[in-house]
Amino acid sequence: ETGVTQTPRHLVMGMTNKKSLKCEQHLGHNAMYWYKQSAKKPLELMFVYSLEERVENNSVPSRFSPECPNSSHLFLHLHTLQPEDSALYLCASSQDARAGDEQFFGPGTRLTVL
Amino acid sequence: AQSVTQLGSHVSVSEGALVLLRCNYSSSVPPYLFWYVQYPNQGLQLLLKYTSAATLVKGINGFEAEFKKSETSFHLTKPSAHMSDAAEYFCAVSDPRTYKYIFGTGTRLKVLA
Repeated sequence: ETGVTQTPRHLVMGMTNKKSLKCEQHLGHNAMYWYKQSAKKPLELMFVYSLEERVENNSVPSRFSPECPNSSHLFLHLHTLQPEDSALYLCASSQDARAGDEQFFGPGTRLTVL
Repeated sequence: AQSVTQLGSHVSVSEGALVLLRCNYSSSVPPYLFWYVQYPNQGLQLLLKYTSAATLVKGINGFEAEFKKSETSFHLTKPSAHMSDAAEYFCAVSDPRTYKYIFGTGTRLKVLA
């Protein structure tokens, strides 16, 4: 595997379910990001991890819970979501959490909340 | 606070015609600026970035963008569109003091045969 991978690619869940999104980067980067991409809205930065420490939590509801067990893996744990949480969730990584660093994106997980 | 505006959520051009995708930014400090492309069912890929070096930036796939401070613009151009350029394009601005990107809402480019 190369670059940034995300699993699953598609997820349908009910509002009472608990699920997790997984991201893995094979680039040796130190920073990882979760973004939410909704139709007709700018990408929203949700969380940032640098060297496995959370450095950003952008006023995201607590029903989204990130986890970064090591610099290569990032998870987004989901529980009691709302239909408006349906979106494409993108993971990205960069060499460091530093201005100007290129962010490399995974293909995303398309989430549908029923 | 920083912001970025992409004029035109949809742009159509004929194959072989000039591509011009517009991006205007607002920033209280000299910004870093980026263009990303997203093909269907894929993540975003960096096309080019401006980090206060040359004002004309060349990127991949024949794209380039010019930083114009007086116009607060960073428009993306390509002299001749190809069918494979059909995708969604995102402009982003970053404060040089942080790692945070502010993305525009995107412009979907359609290339007509």
